[in-house]
Amino acid sequence: DTGVSQDPRHKITKRGQNVTFRCDPISEHNRLYWYRQTLGQGPEFLTYFQNEAQLEKSRLLSDRFSAERPKGSFSTLEIQRTEQGDSAMYLCASSPPVGKQYFGPGTRLTVT
Amino acid sequence: AQKVTQAQTEISVVEKEDVTLDCVYETRDTTYYLFWYKQPPSGELVFLIRRNSFDEQNEISGRYSWNFQKSTSSFNFTITASQVVDSAVYFCALSYSGGGADGLTFGKGTHLIIQP
Repeated sequence: DTGVSQDPRHKITKRGQNVTFRCDPISEHNRLYWYRQTLGQGPEFLTYFQNEAQLEKSRLLSDRFSAERPKGSFSTLEIQRTEQGDSAMYLCASSPPVGKQYFGPGTRLTVT
Repeated sequence: AQKVTQAQTEISVVEKEDVTLDCVYETRDTTYYLFWYKQPPSGELVFLIRRNSFDEQNEISGRYSWNFQKSTSSFNFTITASQVVDSAVYFCALSYSGGGADGLTFGKGTHLIIQP
C-alpha cells in the first residue's frame, strides 16, 4: 500500500493560466474524490468518481473546474483561467467500495 | 443540508492534560456517518474514526475516546494524557454514506497545541 499520491505538490501560476493536477489513488480503490481546502477551513468536497464514472460534479466551484478519470485509475483536476481566489490546497482521496477515505498530501496552488 | 460545527478554533494545553474537542452536526438524514480526521503540520489528513448513526456506543482507542450523543447531535473527541505529538488540526466530518460516497462535509477544524 503506497498511499495516495498527488503531483505536483506545489504549483505557482499567474492569473489567467490553466493548471492541471494529478492524483494517483491506492491501486485497489475504485472511488476517488477531490476536495479544496483554504487557509483555516476544513476541506470542501468538489467531485467524486466511481471507477471512470463521475457520479457527483454539482459541487465543482464553477465551470472553470473540471475533472477526469479516463481509465478508472489516476485522475486529473483542471482549473482554467485561474483566479487569485483559486489559491488553496487541492486534496485527493480514494476509498474502496465501502470504507474510509484515504487522503493524499495535496497540491498547494498559488495564483499570483 | 448537512453542517458540522467545531466551535473551538484553537485549544492549548500542557502535556499530560486531558482535552476534549467538540463537534456538533446537523443533518436531515436518518442514516449518516461521523468521522474524525487529524491533520498534522505535514498536511496529510489521517483517519481516526468512523461511526454510524445507529451505533451510539462510546469508543476508546488507546488515549483517544469518542462520545456520540444523538440527543444533542454531538460527536466529541477526548485525548487523555495528551502528548506533544498530538499537536495538529482535528476535523470532524459527516456523510450520509459509510464510505463518504457523497463527499464528506467537514467542520472548520480545531487547532490543538500541546505544550511540553
